[in-house]
Amino acid sequence: GDSVTQMEGPVTLSEEAFLTINCTYTATGYPSLFWYVQYPGEGLQLLLKATKADDKGSNKGFEATYRKETTSFHLEKGSVQVSDSAVYFCALSRSGSARQLTFGSGTQLTVLP
Amino acid sequence: EAQVTQNPRYLITVTGKKLTVTCSQNMNHEYMSWYRQDPGLGLRQIYYSMNVEVTDKGDVPEGYKVSRKEKRNFPLILESPSPNQTSLYFCASSPQRGASDTQYFGPGTRLTVL
Repeated sequence: GDSVTQMEGPVTLSEEAFLTINCTYTATGYPSLFWYVQYPGEGLQLLLKATKADDKGSNKGFEATYRKETTSFHLEKGSVQVSDSAVYFCALSRSGSARQLTFGSGTQLTVLP
Repeated sequence: EAQVTQNPRYLITVTGKKLTVTCSQNMNHEYMSWYRQDPGLGLRQIYYSMNVEVTDKGDVPEGYKVSRKEKRNFPLILESPSPNQTSLYFCASSPQRGASDTQYFGPGTRLTVL
């Protein structure tokens, strides 16, 4: 079945450091890929998405590229801020699957000033 | 403001006492779903609904019921809660069930079953 594997957390970085959170997936066909972010005490919100191979999703300085050859969708940001502290979820959605989203386990990011 | 609302936000109850968590969206979305979030497991889908009167099981439906009598509302019912249902619950909606559709999440309901 479909699955998403995320880099184990928690991750702690200093402000302005470079961020990478790894995400790989297993799915048949051509899923859409998402990164959702959960700020403390809030629900999840979409950060970025990519719907086909080689697409790059970007938002708020974050980027991720859909790599079909490596089945990956790694999240990157060049310079993190304290306000980026949150839990990040990688997820996939596949046409023809009743389940809309399959989530990874989440990665807690803490950015220190 | 476009949003998904859930009530209550926090609930402490005892084993066996029936409860309902309400979910409402004001975006005229067709697809709604419930998830539970547990540490190290991410979010797992409990039930989903593709439209009014159309509901189906997700990955972890045991011990839960849902109904979709109106497009905007999708309540989650625990008829006899047990401690293993202690979790953080999220309702979500999206325009349709398309693979590329963004899901919009409610703020969450933290449930503790003693």
